[in-house]
Amino acid sequence: KAGVTQTPRYLIKTRGQQVTLSCSPISGHRSVSWYQQTPGQGLQFLFEYFSETQRNKGNFPGRFSGRQFSNSRSEMNVSTLELGDSALYLCASSLVRGNSYEQYFGPGTRLTVT
Amino acid sequence: AQSVTQLGSHVSVSEGALVLLRCNYSSSVPPYLFWYVQYPNQGLQLLLKYTTGATLVKGINGFEAEFKKSETSFHLTKPSAHMSDAAEYFCAVTLNQGGKLIFGQGTELSVKP
Repeated sequence: KAGVTQTPRYLIKTRGQQVTLSCSPISGHRSVSWYQQTPGQGLQFLFEYFSETQRNKGNFPGRFSGRQFSNSRSEMNVSTLELGDSALYLCASSLVRGNSYEQYFGPGTRLTVT
Repeated sequence: AQSVTQLGSHVSVSEGALVLLRCNYSSSVPPYLFWYVQYPNQGLQLLLKYTTGATLVKGINGFEAEFKKSETSFHLTKPSAHMSDAAEYFCAVTLNQGGKLIFGQGTELSVKP
């Protein structure tokens, strides 16, 4: 089975611009979560989508948004980019089987804001 | 609220020595616990998980962890370190299957020849 894929892998944007990142989950996984990883704050949860609905949301400003499509692929958007948005953005897809729960991560998108 | 504390941001061991990475969690109910490894410029790879059942969990690459409810701990061990184990390791917790993992700050493992 193919793993979680994220595109693009690297991105350079200018302050004030907006950006859209894409994530394709493992086939059959219906839940997609997004995380931001920075050296200072570590790994922080952004939001989670399940069956095209946002099910959980972290403590990020409204500039961060996401959506999920009917095929479970997900996108996240950041508007009005700030220097502090430079980070590795990780997408993860989840499988729930009875009491078993696993979350699998993609390789991430490295966003640099200049 | 849930939280995860990893003791030691950097751990250095010699090749062949025991690896012990510490993780303590805070949770009002039995959590699901995970260890992930991250190599440079890569995503997170699941090493092992505890959801229910046996408290000693075996994972990939010879790693294992023991869930100790009384100590609220989930320490990661490997009997003999290999050079390829050098990476950053993250402990994570979730209370439910709702997709939100709370991560510790990570422990960077160095392996000396």
